[in-house]
Amino acid sequence: DAGITQSPRYKITETGRQVTLMCHQTWSHSYMFWYRQDLGHGLRLIYYSAAADITDKGEVPDGYVVSRSKTENFPLTLESATRSQTSVYFCASSVAGANEKLFFGSGTQLSVL
Amino acid sequence: GENVEQHPSTLSVQEGDSAVIKCTYSDSASNYFPWYKQELGKRPQLIIDIRSNVGEKKDQRIAVTLNKTAKHFSLHITETQPEDSAVYFCAASILSIQGAQKLVFGQGTRLTINP
Repeated sequence: DAGITQSPRYKITETGRQVTLMCHQTWSHSYMFWYRQDLGHGLRLIYYSAAADITDKGEVPDGYVVSRSKTENFPLTLESATRSQTSVYFCASSVAGANEKLFFGSGTQLSVL
Repeated sequence: GENVEQHPSTLSVQEGDSAVIKCTYSDSASNYFPWYKQELGKRPQLIIDIRSNVGEKKDQRIAVTLNKTAKHFSLHITETQPEDSAVYFCAASILSIQGAQKLVFGQGTRLTINP
């Protein structure tokens, strides 16, 4: 769905560096989510946001920071990247929460060397 | 804790046969149970969902059943076709302490349809 876009599509970084993954949606959806996908673990929730300036931790928040100053943007920052954070990251949005259809972005494949 | 268990992790069936994927959840307050399909290299997409006030829902060859007492739900695909080959994820909504809903996913099932 072109209404939710992630950037970059691919990213290679080194341990200890700060990395920010961007997520932008054009639907004015209230809820936004960040998931990481790893083999054998499925999709694990990192952080989510119910509205601008409202964020909450998911299952695996350690090492990540989020902000939501505007409804349409929900960036995810790795403050000091570690190899264990090598993963595919998906951003998603929904109209009214996790009880509704989630629209996923195309994902960011992050490699931490 | 809040978790969703999904089985099997891999499933291989002959084209035309049925496939069943099962999930269990831990939070008795969960009330929304979607299923997502992810084709290779693509993003997950919703294929069907069910809410706690119904026991079964069907959409063409796909059906989902829910047993709230046992806290498990299942995806049934009949007359499987090659394009059904993908990874399937179940999920359950969980109400956080702050009152917001979050969606927790199972580990995924890689379904392969053999011609």
